[in-house]
Amino acid sequence: DTAVSQTPKYLVTQMGNDKSIKCEQNLGHDTMYWYKQDSKKFLKIMFSYNNKELIINETVPNRFSPKSPDKAHLNLHINSLELGDSAVYFCASAGWGSQYFGPGTRLLVL
Amino acid sequence: DAKTTQPNSMESNEEEPVHLPCNHSTISGTDYIHWYRQLPSQGPEYVIHGLTSNVNNRMASLAIAEDRKSSTLILHRATLRDAAVYYCILLYSSASKIIFGSGTRLSIRP
Repeated sequence: DTAVSQTPKYLVTQMGNDKSIKCEQNLGHDTMYWYKQDSKKFLKIMFSYNNKELIINETVPNRFSPKSPDKAHLNLHINSLELGDSAVYFCASAGWGSQYFGPGTRLLVL
Repeated sequence: DAKTTQPNSMESNEEEPVHLPCNHSTISGTDYIHWYRQLPSQGPEYVIHGLTSNVNNRMASLAIAEDRKSSTLILHRATLRDAAVYYCILLYSSASKIIFGSGTRLSIRP
């Protein structure tokens, strides 16, 4: 069973579109995250939720809106996509002394 | 946030031990030392963590200096599958936001 799963794995879209990435964890953790890895391979945290509540919001444009319908899910909605949003987005959950990362969603904005 | 310093890259031979160093001279008393690694095209993966004492698990060992200002991740017998970027990170708890540096890119020679 996959601990942290993300869909889709790949996402190619046009500038200006709105898209969503879904994340689910079956580990029973309370805390989930979204990270962004850019073309230079730097990983940066975007958001953190604890039990459906936002606890960390780094300097991320308003076009990015996380949604947590329950503590096992943390989805990321992006409005008006821009070229600079092209990156790999990783979801993670925390518990038992470590964080568990999903396989990533590779977003390409054309 | 306390920072860590790691070499940009290291090379090792297959089936030999690898020692990956990390300096964290500004570590606070409550920071745990965590190591994660990222294999090509995958999400980061937890390796090991410790506070003061040396730690061992099935993946690696962590040697922590007595003053806690540095640590070394030890892979006892490197395999080609250990080729990855290794990140040394300081965390107050597993639920803290991870600030990734540039890590050490480890290459393994067959």
